[in-house]
Amino acid sequence: GAGVSQTPSNKVTEKGKYVELRCDPISGHTALYWYRQSLGQGPEFLIYFQGTGAADDSGLPNDRFFAVRPEGSVSTLKIQRTERGDSAVYLCASSSIGWSSYNEQFFGPGTRLTVL
Amino acid sequence: ELKVEQNPLFLSMQEGKNYTIYCNYSTTSDRLYWYRQDPGKSLESLFVLLSNGAVKQEGRLMASLDTKARLSTLHITAAVHDLSATYFCAVDMAQGGSEKLVFGKGTKLTVNP
Repeated sequence: GAGVSQTPSNKVTEKGKYVELRCDPISGHTALYWYRQSLGQGPEFLIYFQGTGAADDSGLPNDRFFAVRPEGSVSTLKIQRTERGDSAVYLCASSSIGWSSYNEQFFGPGTRLTVL
Repeated sequence: ELKVEQNPLFLSMQEGKNYTIYCNYSTTSDRLYWYRQDPGKSLESLFVLLSNGAVKQEGRLMASLDTKARLSTLHITAAVHDLSATYFCAVDMAQGGSEKLVFGKGTKLTVNP
């Protein structure tokens, strides 16, 4: 079946602009996660949705970052007034918490964001 | 705050040799995951370790978990070039009330002919 998909694969923007990154999880997965991966580092947690609600947004670095999942499926990560330090690969993952005893997360290909 | 430390961060080895990657974490968790990442690609799930003493094997890779020591190992047997990649361990924070994963910095493995 289809895996997690993310669009766009690459996004180049100018400092101060607004960007939206989209994630389409595996069908039926109720949990969705956003992570950010800087060069040479492991992924860092940003936000986690269970259904439509953000269950844990403790990883969002500041109020320029916001994410939504209005229908409990597709999610959009929104970044306002982008800064050069926001440049990274943004990874989305999904899992099917609730029917199994563990939380194996399946990752999408990522969106590489470059802020000039 | 949970810390996950991997070592070594860089590993260069010859084909046919054995080696072990270590993953230490700083708080209680019974669930640990290993992922593989090829350059420019996303993360591929390798192993899910769910309890103390868990051992999983797939081909030339074997992962184990010791929750009392807060240590997981990824053992490579008779390495081949195709294993060259970055390997991440990640700890599940469910016991701490969150479903997020906390990742180590990764071990970049290069297998030389």
